[in-house]
Amino acid sequence: GNSVTQMEGPVTLSEEAFLTINCTYTATGYPSLFWYVQYPGEGLQLLLKATKADDKGSNKGFEATYRKETTSFHLEKGSVQVSDSAVYFCALPLETSGSRLTFGEGTQLTVNP
Amino acid sequence: GAGVSQSPSNKVTEKGKDVELRCDPISGHTALYWYRQSLGQGLEFLIYFQGNSAPDKSGLPSDRFSAERTGGSVSTLTIQRTQQEDSAVYLCASSFERNQPQHFGDGTRLSIL
Repeated sequence: GNSVTQMEGPVTLSEEAFLTINCTYTATGYPSLFWYVQYPGEGLQLLLKATKADDKGSNKGFEATYRKETTSFHLEKGSVQVSDSAVYFCALPLETSGSRLTFGEGTQLTVNP
Repeated sequence: GAGVSQSPSNKVTEKGKDVELRCDPISGHTALYWYRQSLGQGLEFLIYFQGNSAPDKSGLPSDRFSAERTGGSVSTLTIQRTQQEDSAVYLCASSFERNQPQHFGDGTRLSIL
């Protein structure tokens, strides 16, 4: 089945710093790719997605581009805020045409004022 | 409410007892998923329901785990004869159809003493 490898961290940044969290995948074909975010004490929320190669997903200032050449889907944000402190998960379907997701290990982001 | 609702939010029980975890998906969502989030194992798929089709049980870790979805809506995950390694956060998600973005509940934190 498909799989994902994610930079585990933890990552600690100062407010307004640039963020990159690396995610690479192994897949058959071109499945949809997702970033989920988990705030303390809460469930996962879909942050952004991309459904085909070269697509760029974006939301709340975060971006990720589906790059088939490097099989990557790195998450970026130009200027992080304290409120962005959370755990971030890269994910894709276990089977390219399937629904059940497989997740990376998660990256804990802490942003200090 | 508008989101996926899970209950209880926390459950503490003694080893060997049975537990039931409940998930109320978003109204109109035909697909429902259970995942488990534990230290050292990350996020793991457990079981998937799609409409009236037979569920995909391929992620259930042992025959002590079972789940049902009544009337295509509410789902119950049952763990029999609980073990300490069952301690984890159990997350439920739903989507409008298969292959659509999944919306997660806040989870049930299960602690086995």
